[in-house]
Amino acid sequence: GEDVEQSLFLSVREGDSSVINCTYTDSSSTYLYWYKQEPGAGLQLLTYIFSNMDMKQDQRLTVLLNKKDKHLSLRIADTQTGDSAIYFCAVSGRGNQGGKLIFGQGTELSVKP
Amino acid sequence: DTGVSQDPRHKITKRGQNVTFRCDPISEHNRLYWYRQTLGQGPEFLTYFQNEAQLEKSRLLSDRFSAERPKGSFSTLEIQRTEQGDSAMYLCASSLEKEAFFGQGTRLTVV
Repeated sequence: GEDVEQSLFLSVREGDSSVINCTYTDSSSTYLYWYKQEPGAGLQLLTYIFSNMDMKQDQRLTVLLNKKDKHLSLRIADTQTGDSAIYFCAVSGRGNQGGKLIFGQGTELSVKP
Repeated sequence: DTGVSQDPRHKITKRGQNVTFRCDPISEHNRLYWYRQTLGQGPEFLTYFQNEAQLEKSRLLSDRFSAERPKGSFSTLEIQRTEQGDSAMYLCASSLEKEAFFGQGTRLTVV
């Protein structure tokens, strides 16, 4: 079945850029998402990218997609302490426009002042 | 509309008891999803409704689990004869097109 992998931890200094990486196995995934989860809370949709795009920028967030390598990344510019959270990569299956998603284990981002 | 709402936020129950959770989706969203999340893991898909029809169920959803979405509005997830392994966060999400929005979740603890 579909598998999504992420590194578990990332630590950066406030003001630096953070890059969170994700790899997936199903090349038919139509949409790829990034969610943020703060302790004890639900998931907040940050951004998503359609599979025929290479890049999407949204304010401090930049998503890069390499379909050949099945690699997705999220770059957060000027990282702030409020960005400390767990970040989940998620992919949808073919024809599935959101909702039924396969998630990675999450990357815990720690931002040090 | 303030988003997807789940009730209760926390539930502690004794092993063997039945529990029911409720999810109110964003009002115009026709798709509703249930996920389960255990500590240190990403959410795992359980089941999915389009309007009132339950279109897909994960093999994670054992016979003790049942979900309904009468009239295509709110949904309930019932777990019968709870086991300690059912302890998890149960998340509901709704979507209209490509963006799925999650509720705050119901944290279940089975003692």
